[in-house]
Amino acid sequence: DAKTTQPTSMDCAEGRAANLPCNHSTISGNEYVYWYRQIHSQGPQYIIHGLKNNETNEMASLIITEDRKSSTLILPHATLRDTAVYYCIVRGFQTGANNLFFGTGTRLTVIP
Amino acid sequence: KAGVTQTPRYLIKTRGQQVTLSCSPISGHRSVSWYQQTPGQGLQFLFEYFSETQRNKGNFPGRFSGRQFSNSRSEMNVSTLELGDSALYLCASSQGQGASPLHFGNGTRLTVT
Repeated sequence: DAKTTQPTSMDCAEGRAANLPCNHSTISGNEYVYWYRQIHSQGPQYIIHGLKNNETNEMASLIITEDRKSSTLILPHATLRDTAVYYCIVRGFQTGANNLFFGTGTRLTVIP
Repeated sequence: KAGVTQTPRYLIKTRGQQVTLSCSPISGHRSVSWYQQTPGQGLQFLFEYFSETQRNKGNFPGRFSGRQFSNSRSEMNVSTLELGDSALYLCASSQGQGASPLHFGNGTRLTVT
């Protein structure tokens, strides 16, 4: 699976939108982009995933560039509970693709 | 729908002992994967089971093993524990097909003394 590059850390003011970027320049045509977050001492929480179209759910929006080499996770109104490490992962859907490479992620701190 | 359940939540063992961790997947999920998380190495894939068969394995020594039962519940075992095995062990379940995402439990924190 392709690897990803994320900033090590970001700050966001409470109530503002948090925009978390991810670079996946070597992504292949059958690989999806997934986002997870991990709050200290808990397991990673699935947020959203997409292939090439923008996606939105109750937690966040995912914007994937047309060339699919990068994406942005948007938390529209960040709260203190959104403080966490956010992981961007690319993954194919062939058999055996549950070997996810998490990398170091982005530590998002939401500031009151 | 209940999430992924891992037991026990915390465990303290001594070097040389063995340990068994348990995972109950989300109802209807047939794939169970195990990960190890340490401060130095981050999240690392151990193995995946689908319909009671191991179908993918990470780069860990043979002391780490697992199995899956007919009800999709899974266990992982670590024998001859070493200090370096101290970690958060995470279980994740998925439907196991297509692009279905993994859903993680909150893990078992193992401390080896």
